[in-house]
Amino acid sequence: AQSVSQHNHHVILSEAASLELGCNYSYGGTVNLFWYVQYPGQHLQLLLKYFSGDPLVKGIKGFEAEFIKSKFSFNLRKPSVQWSDTAEYFCAVNAYSGNTPLVFGKGTRLSVIA
Amino acid sequence: DTEVTQTPKHLVMGMTNKKSLKCEQHMGHRAMYWYKQKAKKPPELMFVYSYEKLSINESVPSRFSPECPNSSLLNLHLHALQPEDSALYLCASSRRGINDGYTFGSGTRLTVV
Repeated sequence: AQSVSQHNHHVILSEAASLELGCNYSYGGTVNLFWYVQYPGQHLQLLLKYFSGDPLVKGIKGFEAEFIKSKFSFNLRKPSVQWSDTAEYFCAVNAYSGNTPLVFGKGTRLSVIA
Repeated sequence: DTEVTQTPKHLVMGMTNKKSLKCEQHMGHRAMYWYKQKAKKPPELMFVYSYEKLSINESVPSRFSPECPNSSLLNLHLHALQPEDSALYLCASSRRGINDGYTFGSGTRLTVV
């Protein structure tokens, strides 16, 4: 079965700082990887996804993530955060076939201060 | 139409009540899911329906009873819940066997009193 680890529980950054959130997964086969964001009081929104090809994936709102297969990692990055990026960020994984359910990491809460 | 609609948005129910949560999508997705999310926690999978058949039940108590009447609808029937069942219940859908990711609804925030 798949599992996902997000090591940063709560990250606090000032506006314009750079962001990197860690995500490591465990699975014995090829995977799909996702980052979801949940703004306060709102539903989950897909930020970006990786299935195959270029390991550097660009998503919405200026976010990107890099898949490093040798490290089983899929870290999320943004060069310059804004106050509006304050949210909970979830990394998720399922099997490449799409036939296994999405499994989420515990989430990282990002607080951006002015 | 690229969304998953969940009703009601908020629900307060007593421990002896029977209620149902509804989820609807018209994207032609043939896999639908129920997740439970407690505050400041990740979503936890409850049930998976694939082509209208229950394919995964993650050891969910029988007081939660899912139903998939057709390919667009997913219900979650609730009976004799406990206060610890209070949570955000999320519905999602995806194209079965295709690695597209899931589309999530806004959720039903359930409070059991």
